[in-house]
Amino acid sequence: AQTVTQSQPEMSVQEAETVTLSCTYDTSENNYYLFWYKQPPSRQMILVIRQEAYKQQNATENRFSVNFQKAAKSFSLKISDSQLGDTAMYFCAFLNTGNQFYFGTGTSLTVIP
Amino acid sequence: ETGVTQSPTHLIKTRGQQVTLRCSSQSGHNTVSWYQQALGQGPQFIFQYYREEENGRGNFPPRFSGLQFPNYSSELNVNALELDDSALYLCASSSTDTDTQYFGPGTRLTVL
Repeated sequence: AQTVTQSQPEMSVQEAETVTLSCTYDTSENNYYLFWYKQPPSRQMILVIRQEAYKQQNATENRFSVNFQKAAKSFSLKISDSQLGDTAMYFCAFLNTGNQFYFGTGTSLTVIP
Repeated sequence: ETGVTQSPTHLIKTRGQQVTLRCSSQSGHNTVSWYQQALGQGPQFIFQYYREEENGRGNFPPRFSGLQFPNYSSELNVNALELDDSALYLCASSSTDTDTQYFGPGTRLTVL
């Protein structure tokens, strides 16, 4: 079974600063996908960024980028130039070849004005 | 493009009752997955439906069942409700062309 671990239950960052959220996972599969989802207080889960395991290049989406270390099974999210609207719960997720998603327990990020 | 919608938004039931939650998938998507998200936790996979058939199931008892209709909308049914079933139930849709799941706003179920 796959497991996803987010070791930082809560984090905070000053507006305009950079913050990194950590995620590790455990799997015996070689082909899979990794995601970061954001869940604001309004509760709708929104895709932030995705990474295919077979791609060595780290995914980037505007202010959001990942550091994917396949051998270490690590998948951290970096948010640059943090904005107040980035305040939310962030979930790391793993998608296996059976099309099943496994989510971590989340990191609550607060951007401080 | 219409996003994923869920109904109802909130629901209150008593222990032992049955409940049906509904989900309309995003336009062009043929796969629907259901998740249970307890307070302060990450979503837990319940099951997935593809072309009206169950296509994978998480560690949930048989009293959690589902349906998918020809228009790819879906229902989640929970029988014999227990207090621990109180949670946010999320529906997500995807297509065979994309591995990304798009989530609905969820249904908050409270079991008293």
